[in-house]
Amino acid sequence: RKEVEQDPGPFNVPEGATVAFNCTYSNSASQSFFWYRQDCRKEPKLLMSVYSSGNEDGRFTAQLNRASQYISLLIRDSKLSDSATYLCVVNQGGGADGLTFGKGTHLIIQP
Amino acid sequence: DADVTQTPRNRITKTGKRIMLECSQTKGHDRMYWYRQDPGLGLRLIYYSFDVKDINKGEISDGYSVSRQAQAKFSLSLESAIPNQTALYFCATSVSGGTGELFFGEGSRLTVL
Repeated sequence: RKEVEQDPGPFNVPEGATVAFNCTYSNSASQSFFWYRQDCRKEPKLLMSVYSSGNEDGRFTAQLNRASQYISLLIRDSKLSDSATYLCVVNQGGGADGLTFGKGTHLIIQP
Repeated sequence: DADVTQTPRNRITKTGKRIMLECSQTKGHDRMYWYRQDPGLGLRLIYYSFDVKDINKGEISDGYSVSRQAQAKFSLSLESAIPNQTALYFCATSVSGGTGELFFGEGSRLTVL
């Protein structure tokens, strides 16, 4: 099965810092990419889609590098409320079964 | 109220018992999914449905069955629960032709003793 890999962390980052993490995927035919956020014991929620041209939403920037087969998420001016697990999701095609979730990167913002 | 509702939210049962997890949605989406999440393993797809009475196996369907008798409802059954089915179960919906975004329910935590 085609894999989606993430560094599980935890990333311990001081409040106000910038943090970035990557997600690699193995299927070069992957079609669409997403970052989801999951708080402890809660359901995942879409943070942002990742477009070929990159995507920025406030303090969050997502990038896609097709040549190297990874996507990235950059968080600027991190807040305590950014503490969560960030899930990388890759649609490798083939309907619902094409959605592959990474295991998540755990981020802890420290005061 | 949540757009995707799962019941029960928590359940403890014994090995061999039949368990049903229910999912209902008010989003009007045609596609529905069941995932399980285990520590260190991430989210894995159990079954999915693109329409009423359409059923498709996911990555880990063994030991599970589903029913989609109405667009708004998708139920997951464990015919004879076993301890390694202890997990957090999520129902999700999406709309065909949409962005691919999944909308998750709040999860059902199942413990099989």
